[in-house]
Amino acid sequence: GDSVTQTEGLVTVTEGLPVKLNCTYQTTYLTIAFFWYVQYLNEAPQVLLKSSTDNKRTEHQGFHATLHKSSSSFHLQKSSAQLSDSALYYCALSDNYNQGKLIFGQGTKLSIKP
Amino acid sequence: EAAVTQSPRNKVAVTGGKVTLSCNQTNNHNNMYWYRQDTGHGLRLIHYSYGAGSTEKGDIPDGYKASRPSQENFSLILELATPSQTSVYFCASGDRGGRDQDTQYFGPGTRLLVL
Repeated sequence: GDSVTQTEGLVTVTEGLPVKLNCTYQTTYLTIAFFWYVQYLNEAPQVLLKSSTDNKRTEHQGFHATLHKSSSSFHLQKSSAQLSDSALYYCALSDNYNQGKLIFGQGTKLSIKP
Repeated sequence: EAAVTQSPRNKVAVTGGKVTLSCNQTNNHNNMYWYRQDTGHGLRLIHYSYGAGSTEKGDIPDGYKASRPSQENFSLILELATPSQTSVYFCASGDRGGRDQDTQYFGPGTRLLVL
């Protein structure tokens, strides 16, 4: 089956410094899309980025991610962290086997300190 | 306007009681999902549906039932609530086709406390 791994449960970054949240995956099926979801405190998860194309950079709201199938990774990055980026981030994938179900990682809490 | 709504937003229930969580979507999506979210466990899929009349078991279905009476509505039912079911529950909708293929859109969540 599929699995998504987010190795860090908590990442703390000083405001203005770069952010990188790691996401790797394993799959035995044909993958359809990769996602980053963001969940702010007391809110619902919402899609931040989506990508289906290998080696293509996808950007939204200052964040970017590039799908690298060669290394089975879809890391999330931002060049300069803002206090408002503090949230819970989930990496997820969909494939041609699970019929629309998303396989989520465990989530990484990003905390930005002044 | 919110495309996925949930009710109630907060619920206190007693052990052994019946709880029904409701979800409505105006996205016209075929697929709907119920998740629970607990610290340390992330989002876990309870039940899902491919359309009106269909329900499928997710990864943690024990103790839960689901009902999809229409395209728009999807309910999660706890027949005999237990304290271990205290959690935040999210409903989501999504579709397999189109530009938003497999993107899921979440409702605001329901906080359930079982005493």
